[in-house]
Amino acid sequence: GAVVSQHPSRVICKSGTSVKIECRSLDFQATTMFWYRQFPKQSLMLMATSNEGSKATYEQGVEKDKFLINHASLTLSTLTVTSAHPEDSSFYICSATEPDRDDSDYTFGSGTRLTVV
Amino acid sequence: DAKTTQPPSMDCAEGRAANLPCNHSTISGNEYVYWYRQIHSQGPQYIIHGLKNNETNEMASLIITEDRKSSTLILPHATLRDTAVYYCIVRVGYSTLTFGKGTMLLVSP
Repeated sequence: GAVVSQHPSRVICKSGTSVKIECRSLDFQATTMFWYRQFPKQSLMLMATSNEGSKATYEQGVEKDKFLINHASLTLSTLTVTSAHPEDSSFYICSATEPDRDDSDYTFGSGTRLTVV
Repeated sequence: DAKTTQPPSMDCAEGRAANLPCNHSTISGNEYVYWYRQIHSQGPQYIIHGLKNNETNEMASLIITEDRKSSTLILPHATLRDTAVYYCIVRVGYSTLTFGKGTMLLVSP
């Protein structure tokens, strides 16, 4: 089945620094990838939709200059949290779908736990 | 996409069937019912989906009422590893996934 690899699984960074999270589709080409954020005891909130070769589409309230998304190839999308602050501490999850699959289910990465100190 | 309503939590004894309900009374004709689950500190996992017929796979069964206004996810023999938050999502194929609060299923020995 489809596999999405997300790295790192955990990261701790100092306030003011930037952190990059990678999302790779291992056995399929993902023209579209999605980035979610999940705060403790809350549900997943879609941050942005990443399309290969074009600019990402951000959800309302998500700062595009703070959360930089790059989708340079059909198998890799990256999310960079710039100038991170403690309030950016969260669980970040990516997902991707195979566009030619009939059931169009989404495959999710294992998530990245970001802690900003 | 149509809104869904799920109970916030449910308990189930290990080895018994877990029946998780979902109401989606505003579902439209071209919207599918999808179920995902999220084990603690992991990404969501696809379980099953259906349009109007009942569906079964190696993980679960999905029962959709004839009027499609509600559905039930059935885990036939729940194990401790099935403890997770279960999300019922209604959407048109290829549209983005919007997660509600889901049902926290606790499977106990």
